[in-house]
Amino acid sequence: AQKITQTQPGMFVQEKEAVTLDCTYDTSDPSYGLFWYKQPSSGEMIFLIYQGSYDQQNATEGRYSLNFQKARKSANLVISASQLGDSAMYFCAMRDMDSNYQLIWGAGTKLIIKP
Amino acid sequence: GAVVSQHPSWVICKSGTSVKIECRSLDFQATTMFWYRQFPKQSLMLMATSNEGSKATYEQGVEKDKFLINHASLTLSTLTVTSAHPEDSSFYICSARDQARGDYNEQFFGPGTRLTVL
Repeated sequence: AQKITQTQPGMFVQEKEAVTLDCTYDTSDPSYGLFWYKQPSSGEMIFLIYQGSYDQQNATEGRYSLNFQKARKSANLVISASQLGDSAMYFCAMRDMDSNYQLIWGAGTKLIIKP
Repeated sequence: GAVVSQHPSWVICKSGTSVKIECRSLDFQATTMFWYRQFPKQSLMLMATSNEGSKATYEQGVEKDKFLINHASLTLSTLTVTSAHPEDSSFYICSARDQARGDYNEQFFGPGTRLTVL
């Protein structure tokens, strides 16, 4: 069965520091997609970054980058130069190609940026 | 582009009443929509997958008679919580899949509906 694991329930990081949020996944499907979403206290889900299983390079989107280690089945999110506005819940998710493309979600990490 | 709206944003109702939540794709056609429930400090829990013109597929443990889902058009899906009780209080989020995009980021989320049952 497909599964996403986020082992960090919460993290405190000093403003302007880089932060890495962990995500490991389990799937037997050779084709899959991995997503990171940010959910601020308002509740909206904000798409951050995507990594396809066949992508040769790690995905980057501005201050966000994804450290994709396929052999270790990990897809950690790296946020460089953290800002106060980065405080939020962060969810890692994997797309299930066999089931209407639904997303399988990790438990989330609560990130708090300290001034 | 790719905007999904939900209405209402929040609702407070009395126990025993029914509440309808709408999810609309504003600028694309969504053959598939997903309904999630999220309790405080927890992850999203998929309740059901809604396909336009057909019956929704419910996840195990979700009562289909309590959470009625209708996807009558390519831009609208509704979730009705029937005979709501305090334990149904939660944050309900919908997402819509834009299959025409042809790229990876094909699922778009509504802003959510916060339901409080008194």
